[in-house]
Amino acid sequence: EVQLGQSGGGLVKPGGSLRLSCVASGFTFRDYTVNWVRQAPGRGLEWVSSITSSSSYKYYADPVKGRFTISRDNAKNSLYLQMNSLRPEDTAVYYCARDRDLYGDGGLDYWGQGTLVTVSS
Amino acid sequence: DIQMTQSPSSLSASVGDRVTITCRASQNIASYLNWYQQKPGKAPKLLIYVASHLESGVPSRFSGSGSGTEFTLTISNLQPDDFATYYCQQNYGTPPFTFGQGTRLEIK
Repeated sequence: EVQLGQSGGGLVKPGGSLRLSCVASGFTFRDYTVNWVRQAPGRGLEWVSSITSSSSYKYYADPVKGRFTISRDNAKNSLYLQMNSLRPEDTAVYYCARDRDLYGDGGLDYWGQGTLVTVSS
Repeated sequence: DIQMTQSPSSLSASVGDRVTITCRASQNIASYLNWYQQKPGKAPKLLIYVASHLESGVPSRFSGSGSGTEFTLTISNLQPDDFATYYCQQNYGTPPFTFGQGTRLEIK
């Protein structure tokens, strides 16, 4: 069974840092592009970042570019999001999610349970 | 960046109804359009990928159509479990892969 298990959320002050983790099981993690998607309270979904299977390409949404860093460790079946210089507007539930197919054509088929990040003084 | 606009933002319907949600892209995205269902407190669920392909395990009352800039999600014979929020997402070319703002489907 494919599973994505998340950890690392919490309360942080503006300007602070936090690292989110996502551990994958039930599939060959190293073959898939994986993503972070967030959802601010009461708002819609916002794509945040993607990393290809061998970390060759990393992409970021404009609001987080230069502050967030996506990475992965295929030996540990793990995805990470290092979040620095956090702002109140980064407050959201953060989800990790897997590309449905190896070519990125099929949407996001498996999602983590989500982890809440709250940026507040 | 490609902008995605969903309509309506909210919709009221009854069990057994047929409803249609529209998603428009700000530029041609061919068929690179996906639909998700989200219930409160839960992660989104993939329903339709590449505009019209039904994800495994999703009931056949869900269908998707369209290409280019205009797409639709149709739910036939609405069931109580279908009342949720629906999002489209484009994945044309390279990221950012933007989502629509969502359509909340409520029971009339």
